[in-house]
Amino acid sequence: NAGVTQTPKFRVLKTGQSMTLLCAQDMNHEYMYWYRQDPGMGLRLIHYSVGEGTTAKGEVPDGYNVSRLKKQNFLLGLESAAPSQTSVYFCASGPGGSRSYNSPLHFGNGTRLTVT
Amino acid sequence: AQKITQTQPGMFVQEKEAVTLDCTYDTSDPSYGLFWYKQPSSGEMIFLIYQGSYDQQNATEGRYSLNFQKARKSANLVISASQLGDSAMYFCAMREGRAGGTSYGKLTFGQGTILTVHP
Repeated sequence: NAGVTQTPKFRVLKTGQSMTLLCAQDMNHEYMYWYRQDPGMGLRLIHYSVGEGTTAKGEVPDGYNVSRLKKQNFLLGLESAAPSQTSVYFCASGPGGSRSYNSPLHFGNGTRLTVT
Repeated sequence: AQKITQTQPGMFVQEKEAVTLDCTYDTSDPSYGLFWYKQPSSGEMIFLIYQGSYDQQNATEGRYSLNFQKARKSANLVISASQLGDSAMYFCAMREGRAGGTSYGKLTFGQGTILTVHP
């Protein structure tokens, strides 16, 4: 039972390069999220999706784009990477509707991104 | 204003002793949920315990319990009989709003507390 799988685990980019982080979940969850983790700041929400074909902005969306073409996948894109985007990125998923209220989010193992 | 505040950047505890990790929150919504996650040095996020705003009793899960004081807006995590494997970062998080509402399950996290358990 894989849960939430993120690829890649590590990546180094040069300023201005682009990349896509992949997230896949096998729990049939409606809701999916991208967070970034920075020292002293906890996890902050970048974008989220409440279903296939839908996306919405979170707390820190600038510089990122997302797509959810299939229910099980949620992609995070960086079009022109900046050193400020050096961070650990977490994908998470959770059930939708009434179950979303008291259900925990399930997290992937994170992607460590360094932008030089 | 910070919605979730964890004021202890680091905590130390002796093995087999109990430790309390503090969490205060700020919301005007009467419906909310509070979650605690553990992040060991390997990096994964592990769900520990949940407390709903309407729950009458404090949540417990094995050695974890939540000291929920609604009027003070605090939801402190208590770990009893600490073990070396409890050394990790601990995050408090909040979800606001009712099921089916516009919160869409989003969690807001605190800054985290690093717990070190000494043998």
